[in-house]
Amino acid sequence: DQQVKQNSPSLSVQEGRISILNCDYTNSMFDYFLWYKKYPAEGPTFLISISSIKDKNEDGRFTVFLNKSAKHLSLHIVPSQPGDSAVYFCAASGKGGTASKLTFGTGTRLQVTL
Amino acid sequence: NAGVTQTPKFQVLKTGQSMTLQCAQDMNHNSMYWYRQDPGMGLRLIYYSASEGTTDKGEVPNGYNVSRLNKREFSLRLESAAPSQTSVYFCASSESVINQPQHFGDGTRLSIL
Repeated sequence: DQQVKQNSPSLSVQEGRISILNCDYTNSMFDYFLWYKKYPAEGPTFLISISSIKDKNEDGRFTVFLNKSAKHLSLHIVPSQPGDSAVYFCAASGKGGTASKLTFGTGTRLQVTL
Repeated sequence: NAGVTQTPKFQVLKTGQSMTLQCAQDMNHNSMYWYRQDPGMGLRLIYYSASEGTTDKGEVPNGYNVSRLNKREFSLRLESAAPSQTSVYFCASSESVINQPQHFGDGTRLSIL
């Protein structure tokens, strides 16, 4: 049972445009959400996170939106740059004893074209 | 800026051999984790250590053991390797287990023949 789903395996965006990566979750106990970027042969790199008490968090070109009623998370990258080409994973964790257990989606490969 | 360091980077084993994957972090983090990543899947938690002296099972602990040697180091051991354990293994650390981002090493690519 995939509790965190990234339904788009890949996305292609032109340089300078907005990239929107989506993530859906099924577990209503999740209350902390993260986005990671991964280049080949490297470990995931933390990008941005959001707590369930917020609906938006920004960090430079990256903004994460959380819609709790829809159990939906999105990452916006504006403007997109060629160096943003990577695989993006969303992840979620719950409260209390499950706080340590990050559940990852399967990833979306973003390609930013010139 | 070393962050999280994993050794070795690559390893090939025969079925039944044993192996210990090493992980060390220099960020003074309390919590450490081991994940595996298989093709087409997200990372799955094997074991974690919320703080020095404690370890707990994650989602896929069978066939593995861990040791939190000290605050810096957290090792993962395969006692009798099986082909199903062929994977990329990632170690991570965080300040605590509560709402803190985890920081990852570059992985160990393990093949079991």
